[in-house]
Amino acid sequence: ELKVEQNPLFLSMQEGKNYTIYCNYSTTSDRLYWYRQDPGKSLESLFVLLSNGAVKQEGRLMASLDTKARLSTLHITAAVHDLSATYFCAVGAWTSGTYKYIFGTGTRLKVLA
Amino acid sequence: GAVVSQHPSRVICKSGTSVKIECRSLDFQATTMFWYRQFPKQSLMLMATSNEGSKATYEQGVEKDKFLINHASLTLSTLTVTSAHPEDSSFYICSAKGVGGNTIYFGEGSWLTVV
Repeated sequence: ELKVEQNPLFLSMQEGKNYTIYCNYSTTSDRLYWYRQDPGKSLESLFVLLSNGAVKQEGRLMASLDTKARLSTLHITAAVHDLSATYFCAVGAWTSGTYKYIFGTGTRLKVLA
Repeated sequence: GAVVSQHPSRVICKSGTSVKIECRSLDFQATTMFWYRQFPKQSLMLMATSNEGSKATYEQGVEKDKFLINHASLTLSTLTVTSAHPEDSSFYICSAKGVGGNTIYFGEGSWLTVV
């Protein structure tokens, strides 16, 4: 069974600081996504990572993938208040004969002014 | 870019009635659609995976007779919550994947409140 875990679950940080969110998964996968979700809204796609060593950056966010360690990171640089949201990773993999996308537990980020 | 539309965005229904939520891919053919449920402050839980023209594959613990999923065309999947109960109140989100594509696209989500 594919399991996806994120940590931390909650993150409160000061503006201007850096931090990393971790996403671990339990089986071989060929793609990993990072999403942002604001309260009451659907998901906003941030990154899709398709290969070992992939690194993508957009603004203050940078995502990387290590398929051998089954680990992805979302690094936040010089956080600003607008980044406050819940961040999810989602892993695509074959499991029980079906290709599925399973979400991590989510990380609720609050950036304090 | 690709767009997935869900309707309705919010619905209130009485306990014991059925409600249908539609998920449409607007500018691509969605060979596979996924339905998720999200309770407040929790993650998205996969309910079922549907491939066009075939029966949906339900996750363990999801009642297939209660959550009817139909994917009759390459642009439309529907989720029908039958005999709804207050505990079915949740945020339901669909996503769609096109042929040969690596990206999945999410709908805007549907808030269901059962009173």
